[in-house]
Amino acid sequence: GDSVTQMEGPVTLSEEAFLTINCTYTATGYPSLFWYVQYPGEGLQLLLKATKADDKGSNKGFEATYRKETTSFHLEKGSVQVSDSAVYFCALINTGGFKTIFGAGTRLFVKA
Amino acid sequence: NAGVTQTPKFQVLKTGQSMTLQCAQDMNHEYMSWYRQDPGMGLRLIHYSVGAGITDQGEVPNGYNVSRSTTEDFPLRLLSAAPSQTSVYFCASRKRESSYNSPLHFGNGTRLTVT
Repeated sequence: GDSVTQMEGPVTLSEEAFLTINCTYTATGYPSLFWYVQYPGEGLQLLLKATKADDKGSNKGFEATYRKETTSFHLEKGSVQVSDSAVYFCALINTGGFKTIFGAGTRLFVKA
Repeated sequence: NAGVTQTPKFQVLKTGQSMTLQCAQDMNHEYMSWYRQDPGMGLRLIHYSVGAGITDQGEVPNGYNVSRSTTEDFPLRLLSAAPSQTSVYFCASRKRESSYNSPLHFGNGTRLTVT
């Protein structure tokens, strides 16, 4: 079945460091890919998405490119802030499907 | 807009007790779902619904019941709580049309402890 694999955390960075969180997926067909972010005590919220190969999703300085050849959707940010500390989830919905499949989540800590 | 509203925020149950977690959305979303979040396991789908009167099982449905009598509400029932059901529960909804690229909207969760 469809699945999403994320790098294990926690990831600890200093402010202004470069961030990469790896995400790879297994799916038949042509899924849509998402990154969600969860701040402490809250539900998940959409960070960015990409719906076809080579699309780049971006929001709040975060970017991710849909790479079909490597089945990857890595999340990047050039300069993290303390306020970016959160848990990040990679997810997919397959074409014609109703279910969103989530990775295990990666916790990010950013130190001042 | 209230979005997705979950109640209660916190709940402690004894083994064998029953309860209902409430979820309501005001966005006229056809699709609604329940997930549980456990450390290291991400979010696992419990049940989902694609419209009023239609429900289906997700990945971990055992021990939970749902119903969908209106578009707005999707309650989750625990019939006989067990310690293994200690978790954080999230309700989420989205539009059904163009469903495969429509993101989920989440409530703020219910933290349940079963002793």
